[in-house]
Amino acid sequence: DAGVTQSPTHLIKTRGQHVTLRCSPISGHKSVSWYQQVLGQGPQFIFQYYEKEERGRGNFPDRFSARQFPNYSSELNVNALLLGDSALYLCASSLGGAVPYEQYFGPGTRLTVT
Amino acid sequence: DAKTTQPTSMDCAEGRAANLPCNHSTISGNEYVYWYRQIHSQGPQYIIHGLKNNETNEMASLIITEDRKSSTLILPHATLRDTAVYYCIVRATNAGKSTFGDGTTLTVKP
Repeated sequence: DAGVTQSPTHLIKTRGQHVTLRCSPISGHKSVSWYQQVLGQGPQFIFQYYEKEERGRGNFPDRFSARQFPNYSSELNVNALLLGDSALYLCASSLGGAVPYEQYFGPGTRLTVT
Repeated sequence: DAKTTQPTSMDCAEGRAANLPCNHSTISGNEYVYWYRQIHSQGPQYIIHGLKNNETNEMASLIITEDRKSSTLILPHATLRDTAVYYCIVRATNAGKSTFGDGTTLTVKP
């Protein structure tokens, strides 16, 4: 089975621009979570979606938004990019629900804002 | 989510057991302990998780103290490819949010 896939792999944007990152979860997984990882730090939680509904939001500004589609894939959108948004953006897929489950991470999208 | 405390870095000789400690003194009754590792510039990789009993899989063993305030991840025969940042996380059953700290950088040396 294919793992979590993310696109694009790398991206360079200019301050003030908008970016859309995409994630396809493992087949059968209904939950997708997004994380931001700045160089030298652990991943920081941004959003979780389960069954197309937002189930959690981290401490990020409203410039960050996301959605989940009927096929459980997800998009992360960031508006008005700042230099500080440069990071590795990770998507994690899981079964979700009320049982303990593992999160499987994709390879990430490396965003550079200049 | 409960906060975890891990040493910043550890070294281990190739072929020896690597024992990575984690303190989670404020863990709640419904929170599980999860371990992930991240090899440079890749996404974190799930290793193992447990609630209160010791767990073992093909990658590692997880030892959780009886009071659940700390745990140890054991890599029984470390190889050079086990060099990575190891994260200990505590997370409630149905929570999608994993709170990562800065983890432990494990360096396996020949």
